Amino acid sequence: QKEVEQDPGPLSVPEGAIVSLNCTYSNSAFQYFMWYRQYSRKGPELLMYTYSSGNKEDGRFTAQVDKSSKYISLFIRDSQPSDSATYLCAIRDDKIIFGKGTRLHILP
Amino acid sequence: DAGVIQSPRHEVTEMGQEVTLRCKPISGHDYLFWYRQTMMRGLELLIYFNNNVPIDDSGMPEDRFSAKMPNASFSTLKIQPSEPRDSAVYFCASSLTVYEETQYFGPGTRLLVL
Repeated sequence: QKEVEQDPGPLSVPEGAIVSLNCTYSNSAFQYFMWYRQYSRKGPELLMYTYSSGNKEDGRFTAQVDKSSKYISLFIRDSQPSDSATYLCAIRDDKIIFGKGTRLHILP
Repeated sequence: DAGVIQSPRHEVTEMGQEVTLRCKPISGHDYLFWYRQTMMRGLELLIYFNNNVPIDDSGMPEDRFSAKMPNASFSTLKIQPSEPRDSAVYFCASSLTVYEETQYFGPGTRLLVL
């Protein structure tokens, strides 16, 4: 089992919809969880990170960690076409381990 | 700061040729990472350096790959000889510490080996 699993998509939703992106991870000892956003032909950039369980909100973005089920989520409210990108979840062990990424398309 | 700089941005070469990818990290960052990204395998860490010293090269796929960091502002990733399965986007990233969640990625080098 890979350490971080993520559905590759693509996921297409209409503008204004709420988007839910998810990952599962294998090791219950992981404590740091991140979401990176990668626009086409660009390098990934950190979007949000959380420590341990719970929620973290930043504008239209909410990151959620459920350690009991080893599940991490990113919610995007009022989605915009500019949110179209690949979203990579990641965990930090002794190094950062990335999921394969979910391609998201927001349809105007 | 200009961010992480990588060159070339695109490279097309023939199987068997030597390929050298270059990276200039953000000034003051002590850690430098080389990643490879493909559709099949996602973003994979190949090797990382701390203060110019290689710390973990367990992700380097085979002896055809080598990486160096002769000084704090320059690193190379070399593939010799190259093979078609090496075709991928290679990213360089840097960070202040290895325990920092923010790694700053360069724009990547898109490599195609024919």
